[in-house]
Amino acid sequence: QQQVKQSPQSLIVQKGGISIINCAYENTAFDYFPWYQQFPGKGPALLIAIRPDVSEKKEGRFTISFNKSAKQFSLHIMDSQPGDSATYFCAASSQAGTALIFGKGTTLSVSS
Amino acid sequence: NAGVTQTPKFQVLKTGQSMTLQCAQDMNHEYMSWYRQDPGMGLRLIHYSVGAGITDQGEVPNGYNVSRSTTEDFPLRLLSAAPSQTSVYFCASRSQGAPNQPQHFGDGTRLSIL
Repeated sequence: QQQVKQSPQSLIVQKGGISIINCAYENTAFDYFPWYQQFPGKGPALLIAIRPDVSEKKEGRFTISFNKSAKQFSLHIMDSQPGDSATYFCAASSQAGTALIFGKGTTLSVSS
Repeated sequence: NAGVTQTPKFQVLKTGQSMTLQCAQDMNHEYMSWYRQDPGMGLRLIHYSVGAGITDQGEVPNGYNVSRSTTEDFPLRLLSAAPSQTSVYFCASRSQGAPNQPQHFGDGTRLSIL
């Protein structure tokens, strides 16, 4: 049973556009929702994270929107740039858990 | 500060061979873990450790062994490699305490089993 569902699997956005990646979770004990960015040949790196006591967190061009009642969260990349082309993973974990549960990833391509 | 270092970066094995993937971190992190990444499958947890001498299974532990004799090192052993273990393996670490701490990943070991 997949605990974190991520969509879409791939995304093509024009330079300057908005990229939106969505995730849904099932376990209501999850209380930490990070997004990781991965470039080819590299390991994932933390991009931005949110806790369920806030509905939105913004860091530069990257924003997480969180809907606790719907058990959904999303990553918005404003003014998308070719350098943003990468694979993005959402994840979730709980205070009681010991591991991050990852979504299956979204490959983003930003065309110039 | 090297962070999380994985060796080797690439490896080709024959079915039935054994090998050890090495992982070392220099951040004094208590928690370390191994993931495998397969196309369309995301990152799946193999084994993890919350400190020296303590290990536990993740989502896909079959065919893999781990040990944690020091805080710095967390090797992953394949006892008898199978083609289904062809994957990219990532080691990660984070500081002790709640899992709500950033995980630091190595750059992976790309393993092919023929």
